[in-house]
Amino acid sequence: EAGVAQSPRYKIIEKRQSVAFWCNPISGHATLYWYQQILGQGPKLLIQFQNNGVVDDSQLPKDRFSAERLKGVDSTLKIQPAKLEDSAVYLCASSLWQGAYEQYFGPGTRLTVT
Amino acid sequence: RKEVEQDPGPFNVPEGATVAFNCTYSNSASQSFFWYRQDCRKEPKLLMSVYSSGNEDGRFTAQLNRASQYISLLIRDSKLSDSATYLCVVNEGGKLIFGQGTELSVKP
Repeated sequence: EAGVAQSPRYKIIEKRQSVAFWCNPISGHATLYWYQQILGQGPKLLIQFQNNGVVDDSQLPKDRFSAERLKGVDSTLKIQPAKLEDSAVYLCASSLWQGAYEQYFGPGTRLTVT
Repeated sequence: RKEVEQDPGPFNVPEGATVAFNCTYSNSASQSFFWYRQDCRKEPKLLMSVYSSGNEDGRFTAQLNRASQYISLLIRDSKLSDSATYLCVVNEGGKLIFGQGTELSVKP
């Protein structure tokens, strides 16, 4: 079974630039999550989708971050404009259903903002 | 107060040692609890769930004390391959809240 795919794996941008990350969840998984993991910290949920609807985006900085999951499969997370403090690993995860405790994570995108 | 708090670490132990990690959580209404493992520069993966009755998986034992809002993970007979960061995770209304992780380094 294919795992969660993410791209790119690494990205370096300057502050105030824009960046987008892509995620393809495990086939059949209805719930998709985007997390931000800053070095030395645990993952922090940014947004959760159930199919193509947003379930929780309470910790998404909506002035600069946006996410969508068109057709309930792939998802993109965008940052515009980026700040230095956005440097982190952005992890995408999926689960069979909302509230399922086992989430399967992708390899992440390591973002460096200079 | 952080929602999920763990020992800061790192823990440096010799092979064969027994090591215990502790975790506390702030929301008494939390529904379920887990330990995830994260290898260096890799994604987190579920290690085991934590039940009130305690549960064991080989060399790993997890315990939950709801009254004290405390979770633990015990690793016996540590192996080099156990070196990783261990994340304490709490399920709050379908949302996973991760602790900051405790790094374990097992030395030969």
